[in-house]
Amino acid sequence: DVVMTQSPLSLPVTLGQPASISCRSSQSLVHSDGYTYLNWFQQRPGQSPRRLIYEVSNRDSGVPDRFSGSGSGTDFTLKISRVEAEDVGVYYCMQGTHRPSFGGGTKVEIK
Amino acid sequence: EVQLVESGGGLVQPGGSLRLSCAASGFSFSSSAMSWVRQAPGKGLEWVSDISPSGANRYSADSVKGRFTISRDNSNNTVYLQMNSLRAGDTAVYYCAKEKSLENWGQGTLVTVSS
Repeated sequence: DVVMTQSPLSLPVTLGQPASISCRSSQSLVHSDGYTYLNWFQQRPGQSPRRLIYEVSNRDSGVPDRFSGSGSGTDFTLKISRVEAEDVGVYYCMQGTHRPSFGGGTKVEIK
Repeated sequence: EVQLVESGGGLVQPGGSLRLSCAASGFSFSSSAMSWVRQAPGKGLEWVSDISPSGANRYSADSVKGRFTISRDNSNNTVYLQMNSLRAGDTAVYYCAKEKSLENWGQGTLVTVSS
C-alpha cells in the first residue's frame, strides 16, 4: 500500500502570511493513464471534509485562489498565499492512483 | 446542488451488524462512482470502500475486507455499506462521497461499537 506522509503535523500561522504543507508518497502517483491522482482536502472544526484541489493542481469550484497545489511524482505541496481566519482546520492529502490512502493531516492554526 | 445524506449509524455490540445508507441527489447518480470514508474519534481519514457506477467493480480496504460490503441501488440513488462482525476499532464517523476522488461529502453518520 502507498504511504502518504504529511509535514508538518501542526502549522501555526500569522493571519495574512503564507503557509505551505508538504505531502510525500512512498510510490510514484503517476497513473498508467498519465494522470496524477493527488487531492487535497480541508476539514474545518466540526465539519465534513471538503475537497480543495484535485489532480495535483486543479482548484475545485468555489475554492479561493489563495489555495494552490503543485508537485509531481512523489512530492507535493499545498500552499495558502495569505492565511485567513476561515482557513483554520486540518488539511489532508490523498492519493487515488493506487488503492486510496490519506496523509495523516496537518493542523493549521492562527498564532 | 449535490446532496449526500447518510443514515443508519448507531450503537452496536461487538460482533454485530449495521447497514449504512447514503441517499444522493443533485447529480447523475448512475454515472458516478461512490465511496465510503471513515474517521475514528479525534483521528484522521481512512478510505473504506468504493463502487463503480454500475456496481460491477467494488474495492475495500484490507481492514474491512470480508466484513464490509458496499452496494448501490441506482433506481433509488442510494449507496449502502453493510457492516458485519463489527469491532471496537470500527467506531468512527462514516462519510459517503461522490466519485473516487471524493468530490463531495455527506455530513456523516456515527457508528459506535461497544458493549
